[in-house]
Amino acid sequence: DAGVTQSPTHLIKTRGQQVTLRCSPKSGHDTVSWYQQALGQGPQFIFQYYEEEERQRGNFPDRFSGHQFPNYSSELNVNALLLGDSALYLCASSLAGPPRGEQYFGPGTRLTVT
Amino acid sequence: GENVEQHPSTLSVQEGDSAVIKCTYSDSASNYFPWYKQELGKGPQLIIDIRSNVGEKKDQRIAVTLNKTAKHFSLHITETQPEDSAVYFCAASIGSGGYQKVTFGTGTKLQVIP
Repeated sequence: DAGVTQSPTHLIKTRGQQVTLRCSPKSGHDTVSWYQQALGQGPQFIFQYYEEEERQRGNFPDRFSGHQFPNYSSELNVNALLLGDSALYLCASSLAGPPRGEQYFGPGTRLTVT
Repeated sequence: GENVEQHPSTLSVQEGDSAVIKCTYSDSASNYFPWYKQELGKGPQLIIDIRSNVGEKKDQRIAVTLNKTAKHFSLHITETQPEDSAVYFCAASIGSGGYQKVTFGTGTKLQVIP
C-alpha cells in the first residue's frame, strides 16, 4: 500500500521565482491538504483540495495556489518567492468519507529560497 | 480562527517513566483531535486521535483524553522507550470530509534518557 509521496525532496530557488511542488495521495484517498512547516514550528495549514476544488484555506496570500487532478494527485504553486517562504512543505491525504479526519503525511519537500 | 496551545515545549524523562503533553484549543466547533509524532527529516506520523464525542482513547502505551468543557486534551505515554524520542504535535480540526481545516500546536520535543 503506497503511502503519500512528494517530489522533489529538496529544492533551491531564488527570490522572485516560482515553484511547483507535487503530491500523490495514499492509495484510496481523495482529499489532499498542504502545510508549511518552518524550522522548529508546527505545520501551518495552507489549503485543502477535494473534488478538484479548493475547499478550505488558511491564512496564506494568493501567491500560494494549488490544483488537484482527476487522479487525486495535487500540486502546490508558489509565485514571487520570498526568503520567508523557505520551509518544509508537507502534503497530507485523507478520505472524505468515513472515518473522517485521519490525515497521513508525506515526507515533505524542503524549499530553500536564496 | 482556531488557536492551539501546547505544553511543554521540551520534556525529558527517564526510560520507563511516563510522559504527558497537554494542549488547549479555542474553537468549540473543533471536533477531531489527532496527535502526530515527527522524527528528524520525516513527515508527521499519526499516532492516535480522538473525536469530540469520546472522552478517552487508549492504544497500547499511548492514551489521549479530551475535556470538551475545558477545551483541553492530553497525550499520555507510559513505559517510555528511547525510540519514543521525537517531536510530538497536537492538532484540532474543524469540519469533516473534504472540508476540513486543521490547526497544529507548536510541538513538544520529547527526550527519553536510557
